[in-house]
Amino acid sequence: GAVVSQHPSRVICKSGTSVKIECRSLDFQATTMFWYRQFPKQSLMLMATSNEGSKATYEQGVEKDKFLINHASLTLSTLTVTSAHPEDSSFYICSAVTGGSSYEQYFGPGTRLTVT
Amino acid sequence: GESVGLHLPTLSVQEGDNSIINCAYSNSASDYFIWYKQESGKGPQFIIDIRSNMDKRQGQRVTVLLNKTVKHLSLQIAATQPGDSAVYFCAENMSVDTGRRALTFGSGTRLQVQP
Repeated sequence: GAVVSQHPSRVICKSGTSVKIECRSLDFQATTMFWYRQFPKQSLMLMATSNEGSKATYEQGVEKDKFLINHASLTLSTLTVTSAHPEDSSFYICSAVTGGSSYEQYFGPGTRLTVT
Repeated sequence: GESVGLHLPTLSVQEGDNSIINCAYSNSASDYFIWYKQESGKGPQFIIDIRSNMDKRQGQRVTVLLNKTVKHLSLQIAATQPGDSAVYFCAENMSVDTGRRALTFGSGTRLQVQP
């Protein structure tokens, strides 16, 4: 149980275009989802916290107008990278928590974004 | 600011030996700690967690030790196998103080298991 999927797993886009990444909890309802970014050989950096039905909370330094997050249902959160640039190329990972008293996060397999 | 960090970026061990991966954290308010394993091109995989009211927790071939006095966390892997080769991250959470469930990750240690 507690499986999180991401789609697509890899995407290549041209500079200036927008890319949407989906994060789905397959067998549980996720009240909260998180989006992380990971550059090569570096750690995961939290970008934003996404709560179902409300606006996402962005970490300091993350542009909310560039990284649009929508958590429209208890099983789906989307991250849209708008007007992508080569420096946005990274590994984007989402995670989800089931809610209640559990703090365990279940991570998706990640999405490799390459902006050319 | 507050951070979670690691001392060793790369650890190389022989197959069958025990591995110890260390992590230092700086926020005494942290109350939940987790170790993750990440293989290349994949998302983090949960290994073991520990709450601040404990100092040791054991799983299958893994043990996590927490020393709150010196703010130190370690992951011990017994009889290390080639399949254990990966990057290991510690992460911390300060849920009690803030109700915030976001994790702060350490910088990671690459474990290389030599056959």
